[in-house]
Amino acid sequence: DTAVSQTPKYLVTQMGNDKSIKCEQNLGHDTMYWYKQDSKKFLKIMFSYNNKELIINETVPNRFSPKSPDKAHLNLHINSLELGDSAVYFCASSQVSPQYFGPGTRLLVL
Amino acid sequence: QQQVKQSPQSLIVQKGGISIINCAYENTAFDYFPWYQQFPGKGPALLIAIRPDVSEKKEGRFTISFNKSAKQFSLHIMDSQPGDSATYFCAASIGRGSNYKLTFGKGTLLTVNP
Repeated sequence: DTAVSQTPKYLVTQMGNDKSIKCEQNLGHDTMYWYKQDSKKFLKIMFSYNNKELIINETVPNRFSPKSPDKAHLNLHINSLELGDSAVYFCASSQVSPQYFGPGTRLLVL
Repeated sequence: QQQVKQSPQSLIVQKGGISIINCAYENTAFDYFPWYQQFPGKGPALLIAIRPDVSEKKEGRFTISFNKSAKQFSLHIMDSQPGDSATYFCAASIGRGSNYKLTFGKGTLLTVNP
């Protein structure tokens, strides 16, 4: 039933570690996105992929690397985690518009 | 440079009252204006959206008013209910193709008191 799903829901890790967040959508959409929501709830786009091709890269540090194995999946790998990476990361998908968001992954870097 | 400015930051309304949230944008190329509702611990969910060729769109208790010349749009929630308590985000985007991206306002925390 779930349209856009993310795993894990929570992620607590130490500074300097590498972690991945997975996203899957079963809506048949061609475009998927990653957004970051900071502690003040501000939502900002990070990346978008269309049918496995990177379309938008919003000047995100290259420690963040999205990977799209197929158009239903968009994973986010983060290297050398920093305290400032603590946030909620949302995956979204769309076919033209609107965008449908996943439940989010709350990342806490200690 | 914040392209979509949202106000107020927080809003408290009594049950049955009208909640009004305002947004202003700068980029005249924006052509799609959605409002998202987010409950604690959940992802944003599309509430209602409008394109600039109309001045108003109503869906149930939710209405978007759009003023193209002033570059402003607002969300009105009629007969506000405690279940409407959430954070509301306005957003704007350009185009409908694969590279369209949403630019969000900073959000409004709405509390509806019973």
